[in-house]
Amino acid sequence: DSGVTQTPKHLITATGQRVTLRCSPRSGDLSVYWYQQSLDQGLQFLIQYYNGEERAKGNILERFSAQQFPDLHSELNLSSLELGDSALYFCASSVVSDPPYEQYFGPGTRLTVT
Amino acid sequence: AQKVTQAQTEISVVEKEDVTLDCVYETRDTTYYLFWYKQPPSGELVFLIRRNSFDEQNEISGRYSWNFQKSTSSFNFTITASQVVDSAVYFCAQHPVYNDMRFGAGTRLTVKP
Repeated sequence: DSGVTQTPKHLITATGQRVTLRCSPRSGDLSVYWYQQSLDQGLQFLIQYYNGEERAKGNILERFSAQQFPDLHSELNLSSLELGDSALYFCASSVVSDPPYEQYFGPGTRLTVT
Repeated sequence: AQKVTQAQTEISVVEKEDVTLDCVYETRDTTYYLFWYKQPPSGELVFLIRRNSFDEQNEISGRYSWNFQKSTSSFNFTITASQVVDSAVYFCAQHPVYNDMRFGAGTRLTVKP
């Protein structure tokens, strides 16, 4: 158990809908990362927050957004969902952002868009 | 450009065999960090090792060992006396200081009894 929690574990929704994925980092970790894992794209970095502020952006679509709250939990919002958004979404956390430390991953949220 | 290549898509071995998973990376950065993660069938990514670009010492942790060679931009992972529980997908990743972490495509290791 990494100490990172993610809810929900599974999510099934229809195209065009909007969903919110939630992540609680390990106790003491200030940095939160979101990744998407799909068969065709592999593991892709989406976005990083550090102590409430956006720190880095990767291959995140404009339809997706995220935030980190004062209690350090984070939410990833996915809107206007398409079939291709079906994937495993991971949240990870680390103590600091610079230099890069090991990231501890949550169990993931499996999103299925039908 | 930053890229991580794990040329071995799948490897199958019999228990107690040694196995090496290859990882080659491309980067223009002088300072960066390398990682290995394990993704067992349960799906969660498990951290295995972190190594910075200035530390070329090989590391051994139980049956696991890592060989970092900056001259060939490789960071290979060896499992000695493999066990069925080692069956998983293994990811190599590179993280420059001022950029995001890039993962390789992963190597699926199957250890047969």
